Amino acid sequence: AQSVTQPDIHITVSEGASLELRCNYSYGATPYLFWYVQSPGQGLQLLLKYFSGDTLVQGIKGFEAEFKRSQSSFNLRKPSVHWSDAAEYFCAGAGSYQLTFGKGTKLSVIP
Amino acid sequence: GAVVSQHPSWVICKSGTSVKIECRSLDFQATTMFWYRQFPKQSLMLMATSNEGSKATYEQGVEKDKFLINHASLTLSTLTVTSAHPEDSSFYICSAPGGLVTDTQYFGPGTRLTVL
Repeated sequence: AQSVTQPDIHITVSEGASLELRCNYSYGATPYLFWYVQSPGQGLQLLLKYFSGDTLVQGIKGFEAEFKRSQSSFNLRKPSVHWSDAAEYFCAGAGSYQLTFGKGTKLSVIP
Repeated sequence: GAVVSQHPSWVICKSGTSVKIECRSLDFQATTMFWYRQFPKQSLMLMATSNEGSKATYEQGVEKDKFLINHASLTLSTLTVTSAHPEDSSFYICSAPGGLVTDTQYFGPGTRLTVL
């Protein structure tokens, strides 16, 4: 079955520190992969997506993600976290027409 | 970018009543829209796929008679929670693909339903 796993439920980092949020996928073929951010009271916002090609994908707000087929991973990174990055982050995959979401990782940022 | 709106953003209703939630694509047409449900501190679970001009496709375990979906136009899909009960309290989110179905999906801001 298609699935997306986010192993970390909650991560806390200090402002200015680097960040890596983990995402693993299980699909028969390479899926389309996405990272979304959900802030309190707001809808999901697309950070970046991977369909094919360059395995390092640049997104908005300084985020990037690297697709690693050998590890079935699509981890999200940011070199320096800002307090405004505190939110819930969802990894999602699309093997056919619908998105499958991971359970999300809540990011807290310490000033 | 493409914008999807939802109305209302927040609704409280009494048990046994019905609630209608609207999802609109504001600057693009969507023959397909998706309805998700998100429980507190959990992920989004796809409930159904709304198809313009035809019946919705429901995911396994979702009661189609309880969650009525109507996609009457290329910019509007509605989800009606019938005979709502407290266990239906949740955050309902819709999305619409901006291009190919597996391309980027644009999400509405969600509707918080509380059933007393």
